[in-house]
Parts: sequence; C-alpha cells; structure tokens
Amino acid sequence: GAGVSQSPRYKVAKRGQDVALRCDPISGHVSLFWYQQALGQGPEFLTYFQNEAQLDKSGLPSDRFFAERPEGSVSTLKIQRTQQEDSAVYLCASKKSRDRGETQYFGPGTRLLVL
Amino acid sequence: AQSVTQLDSQVPVFEEAPVELRCNYSSSVSVYLFWYVQYPNQGLQLLLKYLSGSTLVKGINGFEAEFNKSQTSFHLRKPSVHISDTAEYFCAVTGGSGTYKYIFGTGTRLKVLA
Repeated sequence: GAGVSQSPRYKVAKRGQDVALRCDPISGHVSLFWYQQALGQGPEFLTYFQNEAQLDKSGLPSDRFFAERPEGSVSTLKIQRTQQEDSAVYLCASKKSRDRGETQYFGPGTRLLVL
Repeated sequence: AQSVTQLDSQVPVFEEAPVELRCNYSSSVSVYLFWYVQYPNQGLQLLLKYLSGSTLVKGINGFEAEFNKSQTSFHLRKPSVHISDTAEYFCAVTGGSGTYKYIFGTGTRLKVLA
C-alpha cells in the first residue's frame, strides 16, 4: 500500500513569504506528527494530531507556525512570514493508533530553503 | 524532561566488522525506545523498538539492541556490517502519561568502508 507522502518535496521561499506544506498519511491512520529536522540534527517534534484534534502543539517554534488536519486525514503545516532560520526538512509521520508503542511511518520530507 | 544522547556523530567501520552505535536516554518514567535508519534522500524507517519484556530486541537487517535500565542505555549492534548499512541512525524515546512527544537524538552517521 501507499506510504506517507509529502508535497512539495522541495520549496524555495523568499524571506517573508508564506508557505504551506502538505502531508498525506497512510489511509486510516489515527495519529499524525510533524517534525522539523535541521541540517545535521535529529527530528524535533512540532505537533501531534489524533484524528482532527491537535492534542499537542508545544513544539511549534513561534506563532508563525500553524498546523491543521480538518478531516482527520490530510494535514497542512503553514509557516507565515518565513525566516532564514525556518530552513530545514519538515517531516510528517503517521501511525495506526494512539498507542505510543505503535510504529511511526515517516514521509520523505519537504526540504524548505528560505533565502 | 526526557532526552536522548548519541555521543558518536560519525562511526567508520570496515565491511564485515562488528559495530555498536551508542544511545543513552534520561527519563523519570518508563520509556519506549526506538532506533530508526535514514538512507540518503529517504524517510526514516524503523529498525527496532523496545516496549517491555526481554531486554534484547532484534530488528530488521540483522540489527539488535539491548535495553539497560540501570545504565539508561539502548545501544544498537550488528555483528557484521555491509556497505549497504551506510546511513544515518537515530535513537528515540517516548513515555509517560500526558505526553505524545517522541524525542530523537542527533544521529550517528555509519560509514561502512570496503
């Protein structure tokens, strides 16, 4: 079956532009995560959805970052007024249930470069 | 707060030699531990996980890890590596009620030499 997909795969934005990153999780997966991975670093948690409910957004770096999952499937991470420090790979992951031991399946990521 | 430390940023090893990638965690609660592998231009893929029970966990591609609660470690091992094992390896932890976060280490780049 299809895995987690993300689009676009690459995005170049000028400083100050707004961007929207899309995640298509595996069909039927309840849990969805967004991570930010800076160059040479591990993924850092941004936010977590259980179906359409955003249960944890404590990792979002500022109020310029906003995520939604309105119908409990596709999710969008929006970054307003992008800054150079937002340059990173943004990873999406989904898992079948809310069980913490359940395996997360990761998408290939969106590489964002802010100039 | 939970944290994960991967002390080795890079590990070079010759093909067919054994390897150990180190991971230490800190947590005041029971934890679940994971190892992921990231090949170039690909997403993270689960190698293995420890949830409970036997402290020796076997994963895919011949990897295994041992959970050591007293040393708060979860080191990854493989007795004989292949060129194709060249990748970035990440250790991660989660646990405790009321949290959904997974905390990842900074990664270890395994370079297998011919």
